[in-house]
Amino acid sequence: DVKVTQSSRYLVKRTGEKVFLECVQDMDHENMFWYRQDPGLGLRLIYFSYDVKMKEKGDIPEGYSVSREKKERFSLILESASTNQTSMYLCASSFTRASEKLFFGSGTQLSVL
Amino acid sequence: GENVEQHPSTLSVQEGDSAVIKCTYSDSASNYFPWYKQELGKRPQLIIDIRSNVGEKKDQRIAVTLNKTAKHFSLHITETQPEDSAVYFCAAFPRGDSSYKLIFGSGTRLLVRP
Repeated sequence: DVKVTQSSRYLVKRTGEKVFLECVQDMDHENMFWYRQDPGLGLRLIYFSYDVKMKEKGDIPEGYSVSREKKERFSLILESASTNQTSMYLCASSFTRASEKLFFGSGTQLSVL
Repeated sequence: GENVEQHPSTLSVQEGDSAVIKCTYSDSASNYFPWYKQELGKRPQLIIDIRSNVGEKKDQRIAVTLNKTAKHFSLHITETQPEDSAVYFCAAFPRGDSSYKLIFGSGTRLLVRP
């Protein structure tokens, strides 16, 4: 069974802090994604990666960056957290570039005060 | 790029009744349409999907229909049960876009009243 693990379930940070959200998958998947989930807005793609050290912007990349130094790990970075980044963050992975099925992590609920 | 609209945003039904959630997409090149279910506090999970060469697909109490001409697809849940209460997301996979990323709808919160 595919496991996508997000390091924190709940996180509380202060405005201006640098925040790291970590995601690890154990199935040798090539693709990894970061989504943001807000009520009424669905799942919006922030960044994704098809391979180590590769990244592509999604629909809402502003205020975020990512890092993929190893195939199994994809990190989302908030350089200077702001209150409008309070949200549920979901990591996902898929097998290959053209794979449609996503496997999601359990999510990190981030609150920026 | 692709845009997916989903309706309704909330849906309340009596246990045993049917529930229908509808989505429309904009990119005619999209050829794969999954539905994800997210129970409260849990991760979204794929429950059913359909490809553009098929008009309907069923799996026990759930079914998905696709109308390529009108560019809309729907999720049908029959004989609803309390455990069907969740947020449901539709999505489209635009093959015409080299990015190969799923585009999600805004979600429908389904409540099944016992």
